[in-house]
Amino acid sequence: EAEVAQSPRYKITEKSQAVAFWCDPISGHATLYWYRQILGQGPELLVQFQDESVVDDSQLPKDRFSAERLKGVDSTLKIQPAELGDSAMYLCASSDPGAPGNEQFFGPGTRLTVL
Amino acid sequence: SQQGEEDPQALSIQEGENATMNCSYKTSINNLQWYRQNSGRGLVHLILIRSNEREKHSGRLRVTLDTSKKSSSLLITASRAADTASYFCATDAGTSYDKVIFGPGTSLSVIP
Repeated sequence: EAEVAQSPRYKITEKSQAVAFWCDPISGHATLYWYRQILGQGPELLVQFQDESVVDDSQLPKDRFSAERLKGVDSTLKIQPAELGDSAMYLCASSDPGAPGNEQFFGPGTRLTVL
Repeated sequence: SQQGEEDPQALSIQEGENATMNCSYKTSINNLQWYRQNSGRGLVHLILIRSNEREKHSGRLRVTLDTSKKSSSLLITASRAADTASYFCATDAGTSYDKVIFGPGTSLSVIP
């Protein structure tokens, strides 16, 4: 069964360092989402792509976060510099906008710890 | 901005009992989804209910939607220890590009 792949699964970094997360969505899924999830809370959308275009990045802290989806397939989310408050789970999801319903398929996430 | 709010925040039941979680939202929706998240993992889609539907079933899951009260409930019947997880409702944000907004979730513990 096709799955959303994410790497790394865990990342520990010191504040002011740069970190990058990678996501490979399910093949054929045009929509890709990056969420941040703080422990005990629901996922918060950071950025949503339709193919290679950003359709929503209203909650992305653009002074330190950047996201790209070159060629409309896999995607990278970067944080530079990392801050203590960035410690969270970063989830990637994908969906097929042409399929009935609006089901999102999630990857296993990257757990980021900023020291 | 948060659209859905789950209630209760945490629920602990014995195996075999039924578990009911509720979700309230603020603005009109086209559909509402429920997702499950096992500890430290990604979310898994459970069920979607459209605004013109009142009830849907999937195995041991039953979802209801009351658009007049802007609320939904998820019932898990005959719970199992494997149902221990966090459950989130997600509502569409009224955009043209399938954005959804997740609530804070209900943490369910099923005690064997």
